[in-house]
Amino acid sequence: EPEVTQTPSHQVTQMGQEVILRCVPISNHLYFYWYRQILGQKVEFLVSFYNNEISEKSEIFDDQFSVERPDGSNFTLKIRSTKLEDSAMYFCASSVVGGETQYFGPGTRLLVL
Amino acid sequence: GEDVEQSLFLSVREGDSSVINCTYTDSSSTYLYWYKQEPGAGLQLLTYIFSNMDMKQDQRLTVLLNKKDKHLSLRIADTQTGDSAIYFCAESGNNAGNMLTFGGGTRLMVKP
Repeated sequence: EPEVTQTPSHQVTQMGQEVILRCVPISNHLYFYWYRQILGQKVEFLVSFYNNEISEKSEIFDDQFSVERPDGSNFTLKIRSTKLEDSAMYFCASSVVGGETQYFGPGTRLLVL
Repeated sequence: GEDVEQSLFLSVREGDSSVINCTYTDSSSTYLYWYKQEPGAGLQLLTYIFSNMDMKQDQRLTVLLNKKDKHLSLRIADTQTGDSAIYFCAESGNNAGNMLTFGGGTRLMVKP
């Protein structure tokens, strides 16, 4: 069964460093998403992406964040200058079309020291 | 903004039924979802219901939707120890970005 994959599974970085989290959505899906879950808190929406542009973003998704689909398969989330509070599990998701079921990857656990 | 609430914890005995409840505030929700998260793992889609339905059954899972009260429940029949996990309710509103709003999750513990 097709699934969303994410790399790396864990990443440790120093505050102020840039990180890139990678996702490979399900191949025939057109909508892509990033969510995050800070330990002990709710899963929060960050951004949705369709047709090579951002559809919607939350207040969390400030200028430190960017997304890109650099080729036909990868979807990336870049955090330009990480802060301690960026430590969280980051989930990528995809759906065939907007408004339809979103399938999630296993997540990348990011720890900022 | 939209809000989704769930109770934190539920404990049942193996073989019993589990009922996990969820309330939401967004009256324009189109789909409502149940996701399962096992320790250290991602979010596994269990089932979903379209907002114009009252009930959906899928093997041991029954989803009930009371749109008037904005209440969603997930019933797991014959609960097994492998069902122990965190269960998240989520709703997708009528928004262009199709964002999901999640509840805080209900930790289900199944005792042998």
